Amino acid sequence: AQSVTQLDSHVSVSEGTPVLLRCNYSSSYSPSLFWYVQHPNKGLQLLLKYTSAATLVKGINGFEAEFKKSETSFHLTKPSAHMSDAAEYFCVVNYYGGSQGNLIFGKGTKLSVKP
Amino acid sequence: DGGITQSPKYLFRKEGQNVTLSCEQNLNHDAMYWYRQDPGQGLRLIYYSQIVNDFQKGDIAEGYSVSREKKESFPLTVTSAQKNPTAFYLCASSQWDTSNQPQHFGDGTRLSIL
Repeated sequence: AQSVTQLDSHVSVSEGTPVLLRCNYSSSYSPSLFWYVQHPNKGLQLLLKYTSAATLVKGINGFEAEFKKSETSFHLTKPSAHMSDAAEYFCVVNYYGGSQGNLIFGKGTKLSVKP
Repeated sequence: DGGITQSPKYLFRKEGQNVTLSCEQNLNHDAMYWYRQDPGQGLRLIYYSQIVNDFQKGDIAEGYSVSREKKESFPLTVTSAQKNPTAFYLCASSQWDTSNQPQHFGDGTRLSIL
């Protein structure tokens, strides 16, 4: 079965240092990939999406992600963490195209930011 | 401002009771979705609707029911048949139900058992 794996359940960084949240997906010829952020007791907010255009995708709040087909990865990065980045992040994949009833959500990575 | 409104924010269910979670959107989106979120897990799809008067079961539809009589509204009923209903429920919408459309989410309803 197709899947998406977020390699870390929890990442802790200091304010001002880089952020790396890792996501690997099962092989597919043209998946759609998304990163969402969720603050406590809130809904998910779209950070960025990849849909077979440029492999380096820029999102909101300084985040970006690079689609690497050879590594089946779509890692999320930010050069300098801010306290407000503390939240849970979800990598989401659609392998089959068509309906979003086919979306597969990763289990999430909780990002902590230390002052 | 356009968005998705879920109500209530917190809900308590008694044994044998059905409860209904409200989801309203003013984004003029065709497609709407209901997800269940449990701690340490990703979101799991309960039901979705691509268009008014039509809906499909997701991965965990048992014990839940929905209706889509109006474009703006997609209420979810948690029936007494759902034996483990305690969870955070999220409603979402997208302009169309195609793979590259981002979803917009409400702020959720937290359901607990009394």
